[in-house]
Parts: sequence; structure tokens; C-alpha cells
Amino acid sequence: DGGITQSPKYLFRKEGQNVTLSCEQNLNHDAMYWYRQDPGQGLRLIYYSQIVNDFQKGDIAEGYSVSREKKESFPLTVTSAQKNPTAFYLCASSISSGIAEQFFGPGTRLTVL
Amino acid sequence: QKEVEQNSGPLSVPEGAIASLNCTYSDRVSQSFFWYRQYSGKSPELIMSIYSNGDKEDGRFTAQLNKASQYVSLLIRDSQPSDSATYLCAVNGLNSGYALNFGKGTSLLVTP
Repeated sequence: DGGITQSPKYLFRKEGQNVTLSCEQNLNHDAMYWYRQDPGQGLRLIYYSQIVNDFQKGDIAEGYSVSREKKESFPLTVTSAQKNPTAFYLCASSISSGIAEQFFGPGTRLTVL
Repeated sequence: QKEVEQNSGPLSVPEGAIASLNCTYSDRVSQSFFWYRQYSGKSPELIMSIYSNGDKEDGRFTAQLNKASQYVSLLIRDSQPSDSATYLCAVNGLNSGYALNFGKGTSLLVTP
């Protein structure tokens, strides 16, 4: 089955902790994206990567970090510097950057205790 | 700031009716336009993409694009209760870093 997987589905973080959200795709897509969704809000871009070993900040990158060491994987770390991390995190990919359609993984719901 | 605007709803239509969802965008260089359906607690699912002015039909769904008016719409014919969801309009432009700008979504309720 081709698709995008995210893990874990639910994640609980204590204050001051860093946590890493996994995103893997086997679609052979070049571009990958991380979005954050808050209740009643649209999706906001955190980071994106158009190619392996390259990534760019989105609109709300502060308190987050990413890596793109493999084409299939684009993990997101939520650091303790992110003051309001409770949200629904969505990873997406597209065959290339530009006007290509983006497809989403199932998401990770992060809650700060 | 590139804006994508949608009415939040809820838009309520009876089963079998046509649901009309609207979206406006501010970035004139936008090149591609998408409609996603999102059920409560789930991730967005792509249902339509449109790139040129006019209509694009896929089953019960029709997307309409008017670049001069910076307006894109989604029509759902023969609405079913299973269509009840939030519909997100997304716009991609040359200046957007190739990521999508999303509206906040319109909540659609199809009543039996």
C-alpha cells in the first residue's frame, strides 16, 4: 500500500520536553510538508522540504525543527521553545514542489500536560 | 499576507440538494486550487483540484474557478449525509514557497 504514515497517533508532552513526530511516505514524492491545525483554524505551514537534505521555514517555524536525511522521511521535533504546542500536526507530500497536489497523512494529536 | 477566505458555516442543506461552497483568495499569482474534505478528528482528504478557469466535474463534485474574480467554488450535487464534513479551500501560488495556503473551512451539514 502506498501512502503516508505518521506516528504516534496521540502524543503527550510534559512542559520542557522535546518530542519528535514521525512522518514516512512510500510514494516516491520529492516534496514533504508539516502543517499545524488548531481548533476552528485553517492549516498553517511549519516547515517544508523540496528535496533531500534541504528544507525551508514556513510561517510558524519558531520552536520547531526538522531534518530530511532520506527521501521517505521528514520528522518534526517540537522543542521546549514552542510555547503552545497543543495541536493537530499534519504531514503532507507531493510528487514535486510547485503546483502538484498534496496528500496528507493521518496526523498526530499532541497534547501538553 | 496571502489570504484564503471561506464562510465558516455551518451550511445546512437537505439530503439530495446541491451544496455550494465558496472561497476567495488574495494572491493574484495563484496557480492551482484544491478542495479538501475533513471529517471531525481526521486528516484532510483531497477531493478536487483545478488549475484553469471554468468548471471541472468529477462525479457529484464540480469545482469552478474564476481567476479574474479570484474566486473558486465547489458544488456537491445530490448531497448525502456522508458529505457532512468541513471543506477546506487551499491555494498554491508561485510566491508561496510551493506550500498551500488554507482557508479555515466551511462546515457542511446534510440533513436526512
